[in-house]
Amino acid sequence: AQSVTQLDSQVPVFEEAPVELRCNYSSSVSVYLFWYVQYPNQGLQLLLKYLSGSTLVKGINGFEAEFNKSQTSFHLRKPSVHISDTAEYFCAVTPPQGGSEKLVFGKGTKLTVNP
Amino acid sequence: EAQVTQNPRYLITVTGKKLTVTCSQNMNHEYMSWYRQDPGLGLRQIYYSMNVEVTDKGDVPEGYKVSRKEKRNFPLILESPSPNQTSLYFCASSFLRGTREQFFGPGTRLTVL
Repeated sequence: AQSVTQLDSQVPVFEEAPVELRCNYSSSVSVYLFWYVQYPNQGLQLLLKYLSGSTLVKGINGFEAEFNKSQTSFHLRKPSVHISDTAEYFCAVTPPQGGSEKLVFGKGTKLTVNP
Repeated sequence: EAQVTQNPRYLITVTGKKLTVTCSQNMNHEYMSWYRQDPGLGLRQIYYSMNVEVTDKGDVPEGYKVSRKEKRNFPLILESPSPNQTSLYFCASSFLRGTREQFFGPGTRLTVL
């Protein structure tokens, strides 16, 4: 079984500052990794995903994440945030094949960007 | 436009009154799933379906039913809703192969009084 830990439930930052949202996972098999974003009163939207290959993954809106197999981490970063990045961010994992194919989510990190 | 739709978006009901939340996708996805989102708990899977007439329990199935009679539709049924089912519900779908990226509906906010 897989599990996901998002180490920070809330992250406040100032506009134009860099941000890192941390995600660690636990799995006995290889996994696909995802970051989703949920803007206020909206559904979840995919930011980026890691399936294989290069460990640095670039996504939408200037976000990127780095897969670190030895540390079982998949931290999300952005070098300069905007007010519009205020949202809740979810890290998720799923096995590449077999089983229930379900996404296992972390509990989310609320990013608040202040002016 | 490729999308997952849910209806209704908002629903207030009373304990014990049966309700159905519909979910439909137009991407020919085999896999469909229901999640509930509660503060501090993230998203938890209720039920999922890997194809027509194939459904199975997720992590929190108690008090819910689903059916998958057509590939595009996956309704969530609460036969006797209780206040602890007050939550934000999301339907999602994906292909079984490939990237496994799940596409989410806009959510249904349910309040059970």
